[in-house]
Amino acid sequence: GQQLNQSPQSMFIQEGEDVSMNCTSSSIFNTWLWYKQDPGEGPVLLIALYKAGELTSNGRLTAQFGTTRKDSFLNISASIPSDVGIYFCAGQLGYYGGSQGNLIFGKGTKLSVKP
Amino acid sequence: KAGVTQTPRYLIKTRGQQVTLSCSPISGHRSVSWYQQTPGQGLQFLFEYFSETQRNKGNFPGRFSGRQFSNSRSEMNVSTLELGDSALYLCASSRENNEQFFGPGTRLTVL
Repeated sequence: GQQLNQSPQSMFIQEGEDVSMNCTSSSIFNTWLWYKQDPGEGPVLLIALYKAGELTSNGRLTAQFGTTRKDSFLNISASIPSDVGIYFCAGQLGYYGGSQGNLIFGKGTKLSVKP
Repeated sequence: KAGVTQTPRYLIKTRGQQVTLSCSPISGHRSVSWYQQTPGQGLQFLFEYFSETQRNKGNFPGRFSGRQFSNSRSEMNVSTLELGDSALYLCASSRENNEQFFGPGTRLTVL
């Protein structure tokens, strides 16, 4: 099935470091979402973006909806151990009231603590 | 507000059997979507239900089916299970195309 290109696939963090990841697509999306998934659990919504160019923050997390509507970025500032997990981007075609509500997911960025 | 709940959390079945998974959405959410998550394919969309109607369907064989009840609760069924159906099945609810909130998933193992 269709998927987004998410990078990096994995990264190691040291407490206090800033982290960046991104997602690109050949298709235009009307909504970009970022999720975090811990082992054995479902994805938890972190940030939702609805407009091209939009920059939204949630605590130490900041995400941007690319101006071309084909990409999105997530930054985590001053990482802490509980940031460890898998981060997924997801694009959505649907507008409110539309019928294309399914999410297209990236393959995830796995964040681990540096040994 | 209670989150999305899925039952059972874990299931073990053998090839050829069928299975039914259940999802209760967040109160007030009328859209329920199902996703399959595997290490190889990642998160793949199965289908979406809204007001008891299937509104959107992913690229999965007909062995995968679902339904939604008048209280927005949803079930998905997989018939004639294959080894490759082993996966985490996730349900997500939303207020019609707004942010989707996921349940904890049902881990299905097919032996």
